[in-house]
Amino acid sequence: AQTVTQSQPEMSVQEAETVTLSCTYDTSESDYYLFWYKQPPSRQMILVIRQEAYKQQNATENRFSVNFQKAAKSFSLKISDSQLGDAAMYFCAYRSIITSGSRLTFGEGTQLTVNP
Amino acid sequence: GAVVSQHPSWVICKSGTSVKIECRSLDFQATTMFWYRQFPKQSLMLMATSNEGSKATYEQGVEKDKFLINHASLTLSTLTVTSAHPEDSSFYICSARAHEQYFGPGTRLTVT
Repeated sequence: AQTVTQSQPEMSVQEAETVTLSCTYDTSESDYYLFWYKQPPSRQMILVIRQEAYKQQNATENRFSVNFQKAAKSFSLKISDSQLGDAAMYFCAYRSIITSGSRLTFGEGTQLTVNP
Repeated sequence: GAVVSQHPSWVICKSGTSVKIECRSLDFQATTMFWYRQFPKQSLMLMATSNEGSKATYEQGVEKDKFLINHASLTLSTLTVTSAHPEDSSFYICSARAHEQYFGPGTRLTVT
């Protein structure tokens, strides 16, 4: 079974600065998807970014980018020019392409605080 | 596009009663929906996978007789918490799969 680990329960960053959230995962599969989701205080889950494992190029979405290291099974999220609205719980998630009916496996989450 | 709604957003019920939570995909058809439970400051725990027209697949440790899931149409899945107890108080989130999983806004259940 796949597992996802986020080793940073809490992180903080100054507004306009850059922060990196860590995520590692364990799988025996060669093809899969990885995601970062944001859960603000409203608790609505919002997809931040997605990475397909067969793509070597790191995904980017505006101020959000990932560092995908397939061999190391690492998938970190970099938030540039942090804004107050970025404050939220961030979850890393794994989805198999082959098995498990497209279910998501989530990490424990990292609570990000943005200081003005 | 890809909007998922949940109703109600917050419900309070008395111990021993049942409560139903609806999950609707508003602008797409979802053959698969998922139900999650989330405790404060914790991750989402998958409870069950719901496929339209068939029985739900429950995760290990989830009581299927307590958490009844029905997926009667391609846009609606319901979760009924039967004989609710205070320990069932939690935040319940559904998601519906189109190209990706799209999440509903969640339902806060408080059992008194």
